[in-house]
Amino acid sequence: DAGVIQSPRHEVTEMGQEVTLRCKPISGHNSLFWYRQTMMRGLELLIYFNNNVPIDDSGMPEDRFSAKMPNASFSTLKIQPSEPRDSAVYFCASSTRTGAPDSPLHFGNGTRLTVT
Amino acid sequence: GENVEQHPSTLSVQEGDSAVIKCTYSDSASNYFPWYKQELGKGPQLIIDIRSNVGEKKDQRIAVTLNKTAKHFSLHITETQPEDSAVYFCADYTGTASKLTFGTGTRLQVTL
Repeated sequence: DAGVIQSPRHEVTEMGQEVTLRCKPISGHNSLFWYRQTMMRGLELLIYFNNNVPIDDSGMPEDRFSAKMPNASFSTLKIQPSEPRDSAVYFCASSTRTGAPDSPLHFGNGTRLTVT
Repeated sequence: GENVEQHPSTLSVQEGDSAVIKCTYSDSASNYFPWYKQELGKGPQLIIDIRSNVGEKKDQRIAVTLNKTAKHFSLHITETQPEDSAVYFCADYTGTASKLTFGTGTRLQVTL
């Protein structure tokens, strides 16, 4: 089991540029989550998918953020245009169900985004 | 759940001592309370959990207690070791919202 795979591990970009973060969930998991972690706000849920369908995107901060899950093995989180306040660690997680009992979240190692 | 408060934000203990982290939730419909451990440079990992119909659960040196009346739950680590140093997150889950809400995290430092 390779676990949840995120790429890139680190991303440094200039303000205004487009940023795309990638995630490969664990095979067989049908729920996928994108979280953002900052010192000020801790772990914030941005959006989650169930069976490739977005279920709750109420955590997406602005229209500059978008997420897609074209198939069961791949998801992207895009920021366009990026701003310095978007700097954070972005985590992808997957589970067999939506974090319910007997269905723990498995997190990737995150993408550390720095927007200058 | 709606809101989860976690205390303390930082905790330093000597090796061999116990550590306690406390969380309070507000949603009375919350029925599942996991704890995650995040090591440096990694994502959080589930270490123990408890359901609302149980008051206490133990797994070797870690234990979790739940007080539904007071709406709080705690993580207890006994005989702490340097490898216990990490950030710990509590969370709660409600079936109605179908998602976990995380606390703000506690940075535990175990010193020699």
